Amino acid sequence: DAGVIQSPRHEVTEMGQEVTLRCKPISGHDYLFWYRQTMMRGLELLIYFNNNVPIDDSGMPEDRFSAKMPNASFSTLKIQPSEPRDSAVYFCAIGGLETQYFGPGTRLLVL
Amino acid sequence: GENVEQHPSTLSVQEGDSAVIKCTYSDSASNYFPWYKQELGKGPQLIIDIRSNVGEKKDQRIAVTLNKTAKHFSLHITETQPEDSAVYFCAASIVDDYKLSFGAGTTVTVRA
Repeated sequence: DAGVIQSPRHEVTEMGQEVTLRCKPISGHDYLFWYRQTMMRGLELLIYFNNNVPIDDSGMPEDRFSAKMPNASFSTLKIQPSEPRDSAVYFCAIGGLETQYFGPGTRLLVL
Repeated sequence: GENVEQHPSTLSVQEGDSAVIKCTYSDSASNYFPWYKQELGKGPQLIIDIRSNVGEKKDQRIAVTLNKTAKHFSLHITETQPEDSAVYFCAASIVDDYKLSFGAGTTVTVRA
């Protein structure tokens, strides 16, 4: 967890609201990944960036999800509008050629 | 795409005994195999990894073996301790692809 700060750690919102999850990599890595973890589907890769550029967003479930990385030390994952099925733990991970290091995650509950 | 299967889904062992978790992968091009440990309320933490040019790697009480021909790899934990209780995930990727495919996870419980 030491290399990545995620906020908020917990988020409870109502269906239809916009949710923004934040990730701040502490150490310099070329790659940043967003994952979603649920009991039913396990760990799923949503999108990843290389040098702040989105490379593969094929895992983003639908247009309600969007991600940005305006600079090397900040990324956001936005859900608008949120739905109950978006409830999950969302992880940001950083890495290089192979190894990925995960942040502590944001636990999202959409009512 | 890559498909990683992991067994067993739960594993209960007596403290001091060994624990073994097995994974198989489908894409013969995969060449990087990390293992992650996830404790309650935390993110997955890398504990050991192996590349396809190596058959075995050891780090203190944990070891990983890889059989490229059979496309399976295993995690071995010896002399288990209560702090080893967690969910363990295997994963596979092709180095230049950067996309990890994860197994479903194994919940390990070490009984005191």
